[in-house]
Amino acid sequence: DTAVSQTPKYLVTQMGNDKSIKCEQNLGHDTMYWYKQDSKKFLKIMFSYNNKELIINETVPNRFSPKSPDKAHLNLHINSLELGDSAVYFCASSQVSGDGYTFGSGTRLTVV
Amino acid sequence: GNSVTQMEGPVTLSEEAFLTINCTYTATGYPSLFWYVQYPGEGLQLLLKATKADDKGSNKGFEATYRKETTSFHLEKGSVQVSDSAVYFCALIQGGSEKLVFGKGMKLTVNP
Repeated sequence: DTAVSQTPKYLVTQMGNDKSIKCEQNLGHDTMYWYKQDSKKFLKIMFSYNNKELIINETVPNRFSPKSPDKAHLNLHINSLELGDSAVYFCASSQVSGDGYTFGSGTRLTVV
Repeated sequence: GNSVTQMEGPVTLSEEAFLTINCTYTATGYPSLFWYVQYPGEGLQLLLKATKADDKGSNKGFEATYRKETTSFHLEKGSVQVSDSAVYFCALIQGGSEKLVFGKGMKLTVNP
């Protein structure tokens, strides 16, 4: 039974389109995150929600909008996609941050 | 701010070779330290962690010791296998923060 699941696994879309990535965790964790991994494998946090409340919002274009309908779900909506948005996006969750995060398997977004 | 510096790869080793991946950090107080591993095409998995000075994290033959005096958390394995080929990330969480900060990652290839 997958702990943190993301859909879709792959997403290919044209510039200017709007797309969403969904994330669900069944671990009962209170905090969820979105990370972006660029082509050089560098990982950077984008957003974090704790029990549906936004607690971390890094310097991310406002075309990116996270939504957390409940503490088990954190979705990422991206408007007006650009070529530079191509990356792998990882969802993660944690209960106690000192225990580390549990990551999903990632969504590879390719903007053409 | 908090940061993690890892030795840069890529690194190629022969099976049964000794592995060291250096990691140093900059943080105030006493962060928790982690090593994550990303196998090809997969998400990140927690490999090991340490939450206070002199703690040793270990898993799957890998070890790392939290050294406060040198602000380091080097990863070691005595005899690598082909199946250890992956990207390895050192990371930290500052106490009171929910943000997991990653190093740039190091790609390891182990040849038979």
